[in-house]
Amino acid sequence: RKEVEQDPGPFNVPEGATVAFNCTYSNSASQSFFWYRQDCRKEPKLLMSVYSSGNEDGRFTAQLNRASQYISLLIRDSKLSDSATYLCVVNHGYGQNFVFGPGTRLSVLP
Amino acid sequence: SAVISQKPSRDICQRGTSLTIQCQVDSQVTMMFWYRQQPGQSLTLIATANQGSEATYESGFVIDKFPISRPNLTFSTLTVSNMSPEDSSIYLCSGGDRGLEQYFGPGTRLTVT
Repeated sequence: RKEVEQDPGPFNVPEGATVAFNCTYSNSASQSFFWYRQDCRKEPKLLMSVYSSGNEDGRFTAQLNRASQYISLLIRDSKLSDSATYLCVVNHGYGQNFVFGPGTRLSVLP
Repeated sequence: SAVISQKPSRDICQRGTSLTIQCQVDSQVTMMFWYRQQPGQSLTLIATANQGSEATYESGFVIDKFPISRPNLTFSTLTVSNMSPEDSSIYLCSGGDRGLEQYFGPGTRLTVT
């Protein structure tokens, strides 16, 4: 089993739709969680950190369920510019490296 | 946040040669990492660049093939040695502080002929 798994995708949604991505991780000692987005032929860019209490940034909401070892990202009112690959990232703790999920590709269609 | 630059941005190299990629961070960071990304795939960690000591390599990557330097908290290099076409990939460096988010450089696109 991979350390970090994500919805395989791709997701093709119309503009204005709400879309949710799921991510599961296998290491119960994981401490930090992030969502990154990566545009084609570009480097990954931090979208948001994921906190235990859940957090929201505009149209984006991230949630963490430690008991189920599950992270989610919700995008409301999708824009064409949201088209990208979304990477779930888990850090096992202080001084440890980050583990990237395989990514979920999103295409928002006009 | 940290701003990270890499050079070269791309290169085409002949098999058997070596290429050194430089990574510069605009502020001191405790952690720096080197990744490889094949087209359409996620990132694979090559190694953690440790300041003042030998890098920590992931399974499948060895120092002789990918020597790494990190002389200070803002700079690191990765050398891809004795290249073969299988080394063609995008190489990315990242930096950040322990347990916190990482920031990535724009990547180096390497083609080995």
